[in-house]
Amino acid sequence: RKEVEQDPGPFNVPEGATVAFNCTYSNSASQSFFWYRQDCRKEPKLLMSVYSSGNEDGRFTAQLNRASQYISLLIRDSKLSDSATYLCVVNRGSNYQLIWGAGTKLIIKP
Amino acid sequence: DTGVSQDPRHKITKRGQNVTFRCDPISEHNRLYWYRQTLGQGPEFLTYFQNEAQLEKSRLLSDRFSAERPKGSFSTLEIQRTEQGDSAMYLCASSWGQGAGGYTFGSGTRLTVV
Repeated sequence: RKEVEQDPGPFNVPEGATVAFNCTYSNSASQSFFWYRQDCRKEPKLLMSVYSSGNEDGRFTAQLNRASQYISLLIRDSKLSDSATYLCVVNRGSNYQLIWGAGTKLIIKP
Repeated sequence: DTGVSQDPRHKITKRGQNVTFRCDPISEHNRLYWYRQTLGQGPEFLTYFQNEAQLEKSRLLSDRFSAERPKGSFSTLEIQRTEQGDSAMYLCASSWGQGAGGYTFGSGTRLTVV
């Protein structure tokens, strides 16, 4: 079993819809959590950090559930430009080595 | 441009040849990381530096791989006697301190071994 697991998708979603992804992690000592966005053949870019209390950035909302060891990303009013792969990232140690999920592919259709 | 830059963007090499990639991190960042990413997978950690000290190496980093950061600024990743399985995107990232705010990635070097 991988330490960080994501549904690879693809999620095919109509423009304007709301979509949510989950990511599970196995190491209960994990300390910090992030969502990155990666466009095809490009580098990953930080979308948002995930805080214990949950956090929102415009149309994006991230939640952390430590008891069940998962994080989620909710995208409201999805845009065509949201089409990308969303990577879940977990830090599990004092050296801040990041453990990456394989990503969830999102396709927004007109 | 004050981001992380990597050179070259693409490299095609014959099996058995040596290749070297360069990464210039954000100047204020003291930590530098190398990752490898293959299609459909998330980045896999290879190694990281704090200033000029190489603090951790993944088991993925075989004896054919070596990385340096001689003056605590730019870094190089060398692969000797390349194999087809080395074909991947090699990503460099940097952060300040422990990177709690996330890492900034370069555009990567795409290596194809033929």
